[in-house]
Amino acid sequence: GNSVTQMEGPVTLSEEAFLTINCTYTATGYPSLFWYVQYPGEGLQLLLKATKADDKGSNKGFEATYRKETTSFHLEKGSVQVSDSAVYFCALAGGTSYGKLTFGQGTILTVHP
Amino acid sequence: SAVISQKPSRDICQRGTSLTIQCQVDSQVTMMFWYRQQPGQSLTLIATANQGSEATYESGFVIDKFPISRPNLTFSTLTVSNMSPEDSSIYLCSTFLSGMRTDTQYFGPGTRLTVL
Repeated sequence: GNSVTQMEGPVTLSEEAFLTINCTYTATGYPSLFWYVQYPGEGLQLLLKATKADDKGSNKGFEATYRKETTSFHLEKGSVQVSDSAVYFCALAGGTSYGKLTFGQGTILTVHP
Repeated sequence: SAVISQKPSRDICQRGTSLTIQCQVDSQVTMMFWYRQQPGQSLTLIATANQGSEATYESGFVIDKFPISRPNLTFSTLTVSNMSPEDSSIYLCSTFLSGMRTDTQYFGPGTRLTVL
């Protein structure tokens, strides 16, 4: 079945530092890949997505590239802000399980001034 | 994107009681999903609710514990029955953008349930 593995957290950075959160996946077929973000006390928001190999999703300075050869979808941001502090979830949909989102375990990011 | 609302936003319930959570979408959608997020954990799909048919439950979830209704294309309810403290979680509904069968799901704000 489908599975998603995220780097273990929590991650603590200083403002303006470079961020990478690793995400790898296992799926049959050609899944779509997503990053969702959950700010403190809020619901889940779609951050970015990619639907086919070599696609790059981007939003709010965050980027992730769909790498089929390494089955990865790592999240990056060149300069984080305090307001980026949140929980980040990597997820996939499709393959043999249409409509079902499979989530990684989530990575807590804390950014200090 | 679809606007999704949930009620209640939070509740504190006693062991053995039941709570029904409502999910309303501002447009007609084919598929609606219910997820559970246990404290400090990731999200797990409970079931998929299609209008006009029985909900499809994931492994580990049963209809007697989590009955779901889908009376029309904009609304669904999830009931958490005979609650125990282990049911304390955030429950979220989601759907696809504008009812289209794309892969992008949008989520409601969640219902934070605490069972004493």
